[in-house]
Amino acid sequence: DVKVTQSSRYLVKRTGEKVFLECVQDMDHENMFWYRQDPGLGLRLIYFSYDVKMKEKGDIPEGYSVSREKKERFSLILESASTNQTSMYLCASSPFKSGAHVEGYTFGSGTRLTVV
Amino acid sequence: KQEVTQIPAALSVPEGENLVLNCSFTDSAIYNLQWFRQDPGKGLTSLLLIQSSQREQTSGRLNASLDKSSGRSTLYIAASQPGDSATYLCAVKESDYKLSFGAGTTVTVRA
Repeated sequence: DVKVTQSSRYLVKRTGEKVFLECVQDMDHENMFWYRQDPGLGLRLIYFSYDVKMKEKGDIPEGYSVSREKKERFSLILESASTNQTSMYLCASSPFKSGAHVEGYTFGSGTRLTVV
Repeated sequence: KQEVTQIPAALSVPEGENLVLNCSFTDSAIYNLQWFRQDPGKGLTSLLLIQSSQREQTSGRLNASLDKSSGRSTLYIAASQPGDSATYLCAVKESDYKLSFGAGTTVTVRA
């Protein structure tokens, strides 16, 4: 019954490495999101996508990029990982139906990334 | 700018007691409000979603109310169990792509 799948639960990467976080949803949702969650700061939006190959910056896009080549898959890329990117990363998806907001967001189980 | 506040930040109750979790928001122009549960080190699980035109939603032991005009929502959990121990977050949807979260209430149910 898993609907939003994040490929890794835990990752440990070295400073300067290029890191890929993958997210796949099976609900045919148009919108996909990447958040990071840190103690005391809550959830912050990094990037979102409303269609294939479309992306928009969220509140904290610096140091990140994204890719959406297929509707079901949304990847978060850390071009050169730094220790301040150690965090819990959460992927989410939601449907887009103009004027209707009857469905909410569905989140994945999260990826705990540690950059050493 | 929308601000979402959850009070209290933490709550500890004995098993069997009813839980009351509060969420307030500053801008009433929302599409819906969603309650989530988060277990330590895990993702968010959706519990209830209330449309802006609705007053409440129920699912099993959970009941959520919404008073949009006053910017408040309350999540009630009846007859709490130790398995209800988790952090509960509320989030308001402001646009198709904007969800604003509260900081959460961490609940501990003592056996």
